[in-house]
Amino acid sequence: QKEVEQNSGPLSVPEGAIASLNCTYSDRGSQSFFWYRQYSGKSPELIMFIYSNGDKEDGRFTAQLNKASQYVSLLIRDSQPSDSATYLCAVNIGNQFYFGTGTSLTVIP
Amino acid sequence: DAGVIQSPRHEVTEMGQEVTLRCKPISGHDYLFWYRQTMMRGLELLIYFNNNVPIDDSGMPEDRFSAKMPNASFSTLKIQPSEPRDSAVYFCASSRWTGTSYGYTFGSGTRLTVV
Repeated sequence: QKEVEQNSGPLSVPEGAIASLNCTYSDRGSQSFFWYRQYSGKSPELIMFIYSNGDKEDGRFTAQLNKASQYVSLLIRDSQPSDSATYLCAVNIGNQFYFGTGTSLTVIP
Repeated sequence: DAGVIQSPRHEVTEMGQEVTLRCKPISGHDYLFWYRQTMMRGLELLIYFNNNVPIDDSGMPEDRFSAKMPNASFSTLKIQPSEPRDSAVYFCASSRWTGTSYGYTFGSGTRLTVV
């Protein structure tokens, strides 16, 4: 079983809508959870991290963590075409990161 | 800070040739990671170092791959001999403990094509 599972998509949403990206993880010892955005041909860049149960908001982005269900999600409000990218979920166990394969998001103008 | 610096950005080589990828981590970061990314397999961890010492190389695909970190500011990933299936984007990342998490930064990557 993979450490981190994501729906590969592609996920398409209209501009202005809420995009919801989901991720599950297998190791209950996971400590911190990260969302990276990767534009085509570019390196992953960190957009959010969360380590406590509940919600964490940063601008249009909200990360949600439920450790009991081993589930972490990313909501993007008022989606913009510039949000079109692949979103990678990562889990920190010890000093290693385990990445999902990513969800491709397309925001349609 | 200049971030994690990788070179070259692109490398095209013939099968059987030796390839060396280079990485300069962020100053003060004590962990360095080498990843490979392909469409089929996503991001795969190859090896990581802590304080210049290799900690886990279980992701290195085979003996053709080797990595070194002679000092805190430089690391190399070498493939000898290279094969077409090694074609991928290779990322270097560095990190340090921030008190709440590991601050993890990727370099721009090296796109390797083996023909």
